[in-house]
Amino acid sequence: AQSVAQPEDQVNVAEGNPLTVKCTYSVSGNPYLFWYVQYPNRGLQFLLKYITGDNLVKGSYGFEAEFNKSQTSFHLKKPSALVSDSALYFCAVRDRNTGGFKTIFGAGTRLFVKA
Amino acid sequence: KAGVTQTPRYLIKTRGQQVTLSCSPISGHRSVSWYQQTPGQGLQFLFEYFSETQRNKGNFPGRFSGRQFSNSRSEMNVSTLELGDSALYLCASSLDQTSYEQYFGPGTRLTVT
Repeated sequence: AQSVAQPEDQVNVAEGNPLTVKCTYSVSGNPYLFWYVQYPNRGLQFLLKYITGDNLVKGSYGFEAEFNKSQTSFHLKKPSALVSDSALYFCAVRDRNTGGFKTIFGAGTRLFVKA
Repeated sequence: KAGVTQTPRYLIKTRGQQVTLSCSPISGHRSVSWYQQTPGQGLQFLFEYFSETQRNKGNFPGRFSGRQFSNSRSEMNVSTLELGDSALYLCASSLDQTSYEQYFGPGTRLTVT
């Protein structure tokens, strides 16, 4: 069965500092991996995806993520955090062998960026 | 291009009633997926439709059902509502089977009293 773990309920970082939001996954085959962000009273917004190729993926708003197959991780990173990055972040996995868009989401990590 | 729209945005129902939620995908998108978001269970996949056919289904009771119309608009129905059905219901659309990203609507907040 597929699963996603986001070990931190909350991450606090000062503005201008680098940030990391952790994610590990479990899937039987090769995964598609995603990060989404959710602002209050809004739906999810797509940030970035890993499909194949380069393990370092760049996405929207300066975010990037590194796919590590041996550690089954897909951590989200940003070199310099902004107060406006404060939101709820979800890591998600899809089994590429299943077909369709059935996606399993992690529990979410709340990011607080302090000015 | 307009995004995914969901109606209504907010809904209050009583236990035992039924409810129908609507989702209009981005123009040209043919896949629609539904998710339930609650504080306790997080985001859980309900079902997915592509070209009017249910392609995937999550682990929800039969009280939860859905359909997709020829214009790709989708509805989900929950019958015999329970207090635990209170949640944010999110709809997501995707272009077709060759695309990867899902685009989410703002959700319908359902409260069951």
